Amino acid sequence: SQKIEQNSEALNIQEGKTATLTCNYTNYSPAYLQWYRQDPGRGPVFLLLIRENEKEKRKERLKVTFDTTLKQSLFHITASQPADSATYLCALDSTSGTYKYIFGTGTRLKVLA
Amino acid sequence: NAGVTQTPKFRILKIGQSMTLQCTQDMNHNYMYWYRQDPGMGLKLIYYSVGAGITDKGEVPNGYNVSRSTTEDFPLRLELAAPSQTSVYFCASSYSGSHNEQFFGPGTRLTVL
Repeated sequence: SQKIEQNSEALNIQEGKTATLTCNYTNYSPAYLQWYRQDPGRGPVFLLLIRENEKEKRKERLKVTFDTTLKQSLFHITASQPADSATYLCALDSTSGTYKYIFGTGTRLKVLA
Repeated sequence: NAGVTQTPKFRILKIGQSMTLQCTQDMNHNYMYWYRQDPGMGLKLIYYSVGAGITDKGEVPNGYNVSRSTTEDFPLRLELAAPSQTSVYFCASSYSGSHNEQFFGPGTRLTVL
């Protein structure tokens, strides 16, 4: 069956450290993978999109990698801050190149001051 | 731009009642989506639309209906509400398909008793 998995346990890290979140998928061949941030009681907010032919994408303190062989994406936040505390969702297009996205359950990140 | 707006923010329904969740976007986006998010779960696609007059089912369409008479509006109709429809509903829009970010509304928290 098709699955997209994120670590459901919360990730606690110290301020200033690099947070690394994982998104694994099976039985999909996505052309695009996106990462969103969701704060409690709010809708998700887009962070980054990476294409299947891109290995890595960066935006300020954020970095995303996409390994189609391992079927995995890693999301890094460098020099983390308490304000980065939120739930982070990965999403991939369920049928390559379409607009029907499948979302993971998200990983809750808490950055400790 | 207001972005994506949703009304109401909260609603309690009795089993068997009906209601319409409203969604409007002012970004002239062609694509619009309805998701539901249950506690600890990822977003599940209910219905989507690629333009006015065109709608299609997502992953969990049963018990819902949609229409798209204008580019701006994409209402979600619940007929004969059931406790299983208790959830947070998010509307989203994007300029085009899978290589574009989705903009989410603030959500509607629905409880069916």
